[in-house]
Amino acid sequence: KAGVTQTPRYLIKTRGQQVTLSCSPISGHRSVSWYQQTPGQGLQFLFEYFSETQRNKGNFPGRFSGRQFSNSRSEMNVSTLELGDSALYLCASSPREGYGYTFGSGTRLTVV
Amino acid sequence: TQLLEQSPQFLSIQEGENLTVYCNSSSVFSSLQWYRQEPGEGPVLLVTVVTGGEVKKLKRLTFQFGDARKDSSLHITAAQPGDTGLYLCAGVSNTGFQKLVFGTGTRLLVSP
Repeated sequence: KAGVTQTPRYLIKTRGQQVTLSCSPISGHRSVSWYQQTPGQGLQFLFEYFSETQRNKGNFPGRFSGRQFSNSRSEMNVSTLELGDSALYLCASSPREGYGYTFGSGTRLTVV
Repeated sequence: TQLLEQSPQFLSIQEGENLTVYCNSSSVFSSLQWYRQEPGEGPVLLVTVVTGGEVKKLKRLTFQFGDARKDSSLHITAAQPGDTGLYLCAGVSNTGFQKLVFGTGTRLLVSP
């Protein structure tokens, strides 16, 4: 069965630009979460979606946003990019609460 | 804010040695998960522990959830080079919808 697919794998953007990252969860998984991973801060929770509704949001500025579509695919958007947004962005899906997550390989975003 | 501290941060050992990684918090979690992450990839779920005092074994890996559900440990017996990676504990928030609070991580290097 296909895993969690994230596209693109690598991205280089300039400060001030915006970026959209995509995540296709495992078929049948309705919960999709996004995490930011940096060497200094580790893995930090961005937001979680379930059936197109954002149920939980981490402590990130409003420049970070996301959405989930009816087929459970999710996108996250970062506007007005800053150098500090350079990170590995990970998407994870889960069939329901209490179950472990399956993570994608991530999108490595570099802001220059 | 819920925090999970892992110790040690780094561990470099020889093949065949035993090791224990600790994951501690002042917060209670409904369950706790352990992941292993290899460079350039997303974390892979190893185990979920749910009940205080629970012990789970996965081949040479033994996971324990503290009685108060605030801490956990991972013990590896006779480590092998294939065990090399970043080990992450993650607490499932007790406050509602599924949100993982990740630990600070333990980077393990097992040399032949």
